Amino acid sequence: DVVMTQSPLSLSVTLGQSASISCRSSQSLVHRDGNTYLIWFQQRPGQSPRRLIYKVSDRDSGVPDRFSGSGSGTDFTLKISRVEAEDVGVYYCMQKTHWPPYTFGQGTKLEIK
Amino acid sequence: EVQLVESGGGLVPPGGSLRLSCVASGFTFSSYWMTWVRQAPGKGLEWVANIKEDGSEKYYVDSVKGRFTISRDNAQNSLYLQMNSLRVEDTSVYYCVRGNSGSYWGQGTLVTVSS
Repeated sequence: DVVMTQSPLSLSVTLGQSASISCRSSQSLVHRDGNTYLIWFQQRPGQSPRRLIYKVSDRDSGVPDRFSGSGSGTDFTLKISRVEAEDVGVYYCMQKTHWPPYTFGQGTKLEIK
Repeated sequence: EVQLVESGGGLVPPGGSLRLSCVASGFTFSSYWMTWVRQAPGKGLEWVANIKEDGSEKYYVDSVKGRFTISRDNAQNSLYLQMNSLRVEDTSVYYCVRGNSGSYWGQGTLVTVSS
């Protein structure tokens, strides 16, 4: 199974500052079809997860452009520019290149300083 | 509007069984793979199982193989998870998810396995 490792596991950010979350996979996430199936989710307190980014950098409809994804191969990053109070929650990466099973990172908890 | 509504969770003793349901609306259910993902209290997300549009392919995480069965009824826009031989470690919120990429999630249903 592909192991997804996120860092840091917790993050405290001042409002208006930027935050970056790293996600590393135990093997390359480049699929034989040429796509890289790396997804980012946000889970606000008490809510279900919500997809933010798919295929490394494609933002879902309605997701603010403050959220951006980047990376390739085994190293990926979610960046949140100008952090707002509503960004508090836990962020997960997930791979769907090598399945089953789909595998998630451990989650990164974002809080406001 | 896409909606996924889970039901069927509850308290069950170890070794017991439970059947979860998910009713979908707002999209053509029969055109999508469907997935169950779970989250133990205070823990991260774990993919449990998924099923192809027509039910012809099903996949499971190793820890539930032989105990859980995913199924669907496209006429009823419904997804199911039959859970047998439940263990304490199966205690989680179970989410119904559209597709294989996590585009839409239900609100979840809590399964507690305890004596």
